[in-house]
Amino acid sequence: QKEVEQDPGPLSVPEGAIVSLNCTYSNSAFQYFMWYRQYSRKGPELLMYTYSSGNKEDGRFTAQVDKSSKYISLFIRDSQPSDSATYLCASARSNSGYALNFGKGTSLLVTP
Amino acid sequence: GAVVSQHPSWVICKSGTSVKIECRSLDFQATTMFWYRQFPKQSLMLMATSNEGSKATYEQGVEKDKFLINHASLTLSTLTVTSAHPEDSSFYICSARAGDTNTEAFFGQGTRLTVV
Repeated sequence: QKEVEQDPGPLSVPEGAIVSLNCTYSNSAFQYFMWYRQYSRKGPELLMYTYSSGNKEDGRFTAQVDKSSKYISLFIRDSQPSDSATYLCASARSNSGYALNFGKGTSLLVTP
Repeated sequence: GAVVSQHPSWVICKSGTSVKIECRSLDFQATTMFWYRQFPKQSLMLMATSNEGSKATYEQGVEKDKFLINHASLTLSTLTVTSAHPEDSSFYICSARAGDTNTEAFFGQGTRLTVV
């Protein structure tokens, strides 16, 4: 079992919709949680980074972590066609040098 | 965010030859660099972790003699794929982190390696 599980999608939504992306993780030692956006043939770009349970908001993006259920979410409000990309969740822990464990990524398509 | 430059962005090589990929942190000192491999429609898989001036730590199943990693300075790490074979064709991505407690890792643009 992979340590971070993510539904690969694809997920297709109309422009303006609220997008919900989710991951689960199995290792309770994970302390840090990130969301990356990756466009085709490009390296991942860090969107959100959090280390505690609860919500963290940045513009149209909200990251949510529930450590009790080992559940990570990313919400995108007022989605735009430019948000079309693959979204990767990742987790890290200090005793592994903070190396990132990635989910498979969810492919998102926002249609005009 | 910080900038990590990876070069080349794509390379085609003949089977049996070696290919070197460079990863540079342009505006910060990267005490730790990570190398990942990503096959089509798959997630990034960590290959190795390197700290400046130390030998790299390889993940299980990654051949250290085939994937040579050098982290000679705080701004440069290289990955050399030796005696490349078609099954080594993949997207290789580096990331760099500054400091021991800062967990934010910034990624290079990736290198698409095709071995023919």
